[in-house]
Order: sequence, then C-alpha cells, then structure tokens
Amino acid sequence: AQSVTQPDIHITVSEGASLELRCNYSYGATPYLFWYVQSPGQGLQLLLKYFSGDTLVQGIKGFEAEFKRSQSSFNLRKPSVHWSDAAEYFCAVGPLAGGTSYGKLTFGQGTILTVHP
Amino acid sequence: SQTIHQWPATLVQPVGSPLSLECTVEGTSNPNLYWYRQAAGRGLQLLFYSVGIGQISSEVPQNLSASRPQDRQFILSSKKLLLSDSGFYLCAWSVGPGQGSSGGTYEQYFGPGTRLTVT
Repeated sequence: AQSVTQPDIHITVSEGASLELRCNYSYGATPYLFWYVQSPGQGLQLLLKYFSGDTLVQGIKGFEAEFKRSQSSFNLRKPSVHWSDAAEYFCAVGPLAGGTSYGKLTFGQGTILTVHP
Repeated sequence: SQTIHQWPATLVQPVGSPLSLECTVEGTSNPNLYWYRQAAGRGLQLLFYSVGIGQISSEVPQNLSASRPQDRQFILSSKKLLLSDSGFYLCAWSVGPGQGSSGGTYEQYFGPGTRLTVT
C-alpha cells in the first residue's frame, strides 16, 4: 500500500529565510505527487504537482519541488519565506493512470509552518 | 472555471441529532467527488468517494453516510451524531476518468470546509 511521510510536524523559520519541507513516499512505481497548502479554517489549495518529465516543478506562490526517484522524495522549497506563507502543508501521492483507485490520494500528516518576523 | 461550494460553513449540533452537509461543484461534469474529515492534528481521513450518481464507496466504517443525488452534488449525512464526529469536513472533486486531456491526472480541488462541533 502506498504511504506518505512528512517527518517534520512543525517547522519555524524567519521571514526571508529559505524553506524546505520534506516528503517521502512509499509506492510501487513513480506516483503522481502533489503539495497542498491549508490556511487555518480553510480548504486545501494545490501548490504544485508532478507527473513526469522535468523533476523540478514550479508552483504557485514562488514554491518549487524536486522529485528524487532514488530517495523516494518530493521536497518542497522556497528561497525566501514571507509571513503569509505561515500555514499547514500537505504532501500527497496518487495512483498510476488507468488504475482502479478512482483518483484517491494518500496524504501525509502535514507540516505546520510558523514564520517569525 | 470550476468552483466548489460547501455549506454550512460552521455547525454546532447536539449529540444524537441528525446531520446533513452539502457540497456542490460548478463548471464541470461527471467529476469524482470525495468527503474528508480532518480532526485536530490528525491529517486528512478519506470518508467517502463517488465516481457517479448513486455510486458511493465508503473508506471507513463509521456513523456517517454519503449520497450523490445529482451529478455535481454530494451530501454527507448522519442519523445520530456522536461526539467523535466533531471535526473539519472537506469536500473535494477531481476530473473523472476519461474526461478530456486532463483525465486521470488525479489532482483534487477542495471546498472551503465545514466546521462541525458536536456538543
């Protein structure tokens, strides 16, 4: 069964500092990979996604993520964090196209990001 | 463009009372639909998903049920709420299988959520 691990429950960074949120997955092949962001009391917003091709993907709000097959990782990065980036971040993996899982995603437990001024 | 709505936004219900949460999607047809629950510090738990009208799959045994009476409407219900039903309920949709060039890419789009407190 596929699984997603976000090792860091809570990360604190200073505004302007760089950020890397870790995500490791367990899957039989290269899955579809996603990062979502959730502000308090709101729904999840898709930041970026990886399906194939270039392993460095760009997303919204200045985020990027790099897929590393050898490490089964899909870490999220941002070169300079803004106070408005404070939120909870979720990594998710999805099934291979043509599968019978009906588009179900497996989510990590989330990483809460706190930004100090 | 597609939008997803959930209501109510917040709800406070006593134990033993019924529940009905509604989710509707606009701007797409035959979407896959999902209900999640998010309890504090516990991530997202998939409750139900649906690939078409009247087609509901349950992920976990529980006090809740779901229905899809129309293509873009997804309802979460309970006959008698438990304290443990408290949480943040999220509805999501994704492109259904075979839906154009984006079919099968599986990204889900979430609604704003409903905060349910059972007292």
